[in-house]
Amino acid sequence: EAQVTQNPRYLITVTGKKLTVTCSQNMNHEYMSWYRQDPGLGLRQIYYSMNVEVTDKGDVPEGYKVSRKEKRNFPLILESPSPNQTSLYFCASRLGNTQYFGPGTRLTVL
Amino acid sequence: GEDVEQSLFLSVREGDSSVINCTYTDSSSTYLYWYKQEPGAGLQLLTYIFSNMDMKQDQRLTVLLNKKDKHLSLRIADTQTGDSAIYFCADIGSQGNLIFGKGTKLSVKP
Repeated sequence: EAQVTQNPRYLITVTGKKLTVTCSQNMNHEYMSWYRQDPGLGLRQIYYSMNVEVTDKGDVPEGYKVSRKEKRNFPLILESPSPNQTSLYFCASRLGNTQYFGPGTRLTVL
Repeated sequence: GEDVEQSLFLSVREGDSSVINCTYTDSSSTYLYWYKQEPGAGLQLLTYIFSNMDMKQDQRLTVLLNKKDKHLSLRIADTQTGDSAIYFCADIGSQGNLIFGKGTKLSVKP
């Protein structure tokens, strides 16, 4: 089944403790991206990747890192999480004009 | 910059039609999208329309595009309680990212 998976689905952590949210797609898509969703703000893009080893900042990249060492995986790294990064995170991959979203990761930073 | 606007709430009675409206600013948009997010779930692509079309119909869904006014609407015929969700209008930005509206929460009353 074609899909985008994210892990973990839920995470509660504390300020400053490094964490990684994994994202994987099995559709061989070149384009992948991360969004965060906040009440009243909709979804905003954090980072995107056009292909392996090619990443670029989206609208709200501060406090995040990504890597794209292989086509299927696009992890989101928070080196030193802060409470303002409490949010719902979505990974997506794209083929042509259609984006496919993962199920979301709800992150709470205390 | 590119922006997408939509009203935040809509309430309808079961069996009525729902019309969710959206405006966008990017006159070079090629595709416009409607996504649905059910409570606690990820984003599901409902439909999309190419910019050279005025209308697209898919079962109970009708998308209307007025390119001159940069206005997009989603009509759901015979709205059911299962249609209760947040509906996001989205535009493709210049970097291939999706620019989302803040979402319209549709409440369907029995």
